[in-house]
This record gives sequence, structure tokens and C-alpha cells, in this order.
Amino acid sequence: DIQMTQSPSTLSASVGDRVTITCRASQSVTNWLAWYQQKPGKAPKLLIYKASSLESGVPSRFSGSGSGTEFTLTISSLQPDDFATYYCQQYNFYSSIFGQGTKVEIK
Amino acid sequence: QVQLVESGGGVVQPGRSLRLSCAASGFTFSSYAMHWVRQAPGKGLEWVAVISYDGTNKYYADSVKGRFTISRENSNNTLDLQMHSLRPDDTSVYYCARRAPGAAGYDYWGQGTLVTVSS
Repeated sequence: DIQMTQSPSTLSASVGDRVTITCRASQSVTNWLAWYQQKPGKAPKLLIYKASSLESGVPSRFSGSGSGTEFTLTISSLQPDDFATYYCQQYNFYSSIFGQGTKVEIK
Repeated sequence: QVQLVESGGGVVQPGRSLRLSCAASGFTFSSYAMHWVRQAPGKGLEWVAVISYDGTNKYYADSVKGRFTISRENSNNTLDLQMHSLRPDDTSVYYCARRAPGAAGYDYWGQGTLVTVSS
């Protein structure tokens, strides 16, 4: 079974910082990789799909890169609304695995 | 606008059954594969099950296989999750989610419904 490992688990940052979150797959997932943002008590929100495609309506400060087994989510300039938990997700039609999440906290 | 509204959650004793529903609106429900994803209190996201747009293909996480059944009624725009033999570790918020066109992740989610398995 594929495993998805995110790092770090928690990240402390300030408004304006550049933030990078890494997701590693135990085997190649080609580019079937998505990133989500989740705030407390809310459903996840799709940010990035197919590793690097920005979902409609998502600010351009969010970007994704990578393929195969290593992927990154970058927030170019952290905004107050971005403090949340972020999940990577490997997906195909018949299954999906989420990473364990990265909580972005205010420094 | 696209809306997904879950219902059916509640408190249930271990070993009992519960049926969750997800009412879809604002899009052509019969054209989309649909998923259930759950989240235990304070924990991460766990994919549960998927059903194809026409209901012919269904897949499950190992943790629920043989106990949960996903189904859909396209004429009513509803997605269901029948849960049997519930265990305390099934306690979670259950979300229904739409698989975006072109396999582009899950683009719409419901607000979730809480299932608590406890005696």
C-alpha cells in the first residue's frame, strides 16, 4: 500500500513568510497528487490538483510542484487567512491516501 | 451553486448500524463519481469509499471493507453510506465529496456529519 508522509507536522511562520510543505510517497504516484487546506470545524478545500494545477479561485500565492514520489506545496507570502492545516492526497479512481497533515501556526 | 449536505449522523452503540446520506444539488449528480471521507476527532483525513457515476463500481478502504456499503440514487441526487458492525474507532466526522472532472481531486465537500460510536 502507498503511504504519504508530510513534513513538517507543524510549522511556525509569520505573515509574509515563504512556506514550503513536503509530501513524499512510498512509491510513484505520477502526478495524481492534490493539496487541501482545512480550518477548524470546516471541510477541506482543494488548492492544487495534478501536483501543480491551481484550483479555480485559489490565490496565486499557492503553488505545487513535483512528480513521482516527492511533492511540495509553497505559499509564497503567508497571509493571515492561510493559518490552517494542509493535507496532501494521492488519488486515483479506486482509492486515495491522505498525508497526516501539516499545521501552519502563527509564529 | 454546488451543494452537498450530509445527514444521518448521531450516537450509536458498538455493533449497531447507521445510514448516512448526502443530498447533492447544483450540478448533474449522475455525471460524477462520489466519495466518502472521514476524520476522527483531532485527527487527519481518511478516505472511506468511492462509487462511480453510474453506481456500477465501488471501492472501499480496508478499514471498512465488508462493513460499509456505498450506494447512490441518481434519480434523487443522493449518496448513501450504510454502516454495519460499528466500532468505537469509526467515530468521525463523515464528509461526502465530489470527484472533480478529469480526476482533478475532490472539488466540493459537504459540511460533514458526526458519527459517535459509544456505549
